Amino acid sequence: AQSVTQPDIHITVSEGASLELRCNYSYGATPYLFWYVQSPGQGLQLLLKYFSGDTLVQGIKGFEAEFKRSQSSFNLRKPSVHWSDAAEYFCAVISNFGNEKLTFGTGTRLTIIP
Amino acid sequence: NAGVTQTPKFRILKIGQSMTLQCAQDMNHNYMYWYRQDPGMGLKLIYYSVGAGITDKGEVPNGYNVSRSTTEDFPLRLELAAPSQTSVYFCASRSGDNADTIYFGEGSWLTVV
Repeated sequence: AQSVTQPDIHITVSEGASLELRCNYSYGATPYLFWYVQSPGQGLQLLLKYFSGDTLVQGIKGFEAEFKRSQSSFNLRKPSVHWSDAAEYFCAVISNFGNEKLTFGTGTRLTIIP
Repeated sequence: NAGVTQTPKFRILKIGQSMTLQCAQDMNHNYMYWYRQDPGMGLKLIYYSVGAGITDKGEVPNGYNVSRSTTEDFPLRLELAAPSQTSVYFCASRSGDNADTIYFGEGSWLTVV
């Protein structure tokens, strides 16, 4: 069964510092991978997605993610965080063969300190 | 084009009551999903559908039922509400083609007392 793991429940970063949020998936074939952001009391906003091709994907708000098949990872990065980036971040996966479940990780809460 | 519309946005239920959360999309998407999100937690898949007439269980289907009689609608039914079903419910849809984008509804806040 496909699964998504976000090992970090909570990360605190200083404003202006770089950020990397980890995401590992478990599935045999190449999945469809997504990163979403959710502010408190809000719905989910898509940051970026990977289906195929270039393994470095650019998203909105200055975020990027890199798909690494050998590590089954799809980590989210940002060179310099802003206070407005404080939110909950979710990695998600769809298997692209057969099972069409869209499975989310448990999320990483990002806190930004001055 | 309204996207994914969920109703109601807020609802308080008494234990044992039943209700239906409505989800509709006007994008002719084949795939639709229902999730619940408990406070401080991620999204857990309740049920999903790959097309009209086809539904399947997700991770946490107990206490819920769904139907998909049309492409547009994917209602979620709670038959006997329990406090454990207090949560935020999100409906989502996607086309399933190569330019796939997942659209989410704004969420339905449900409290069972």
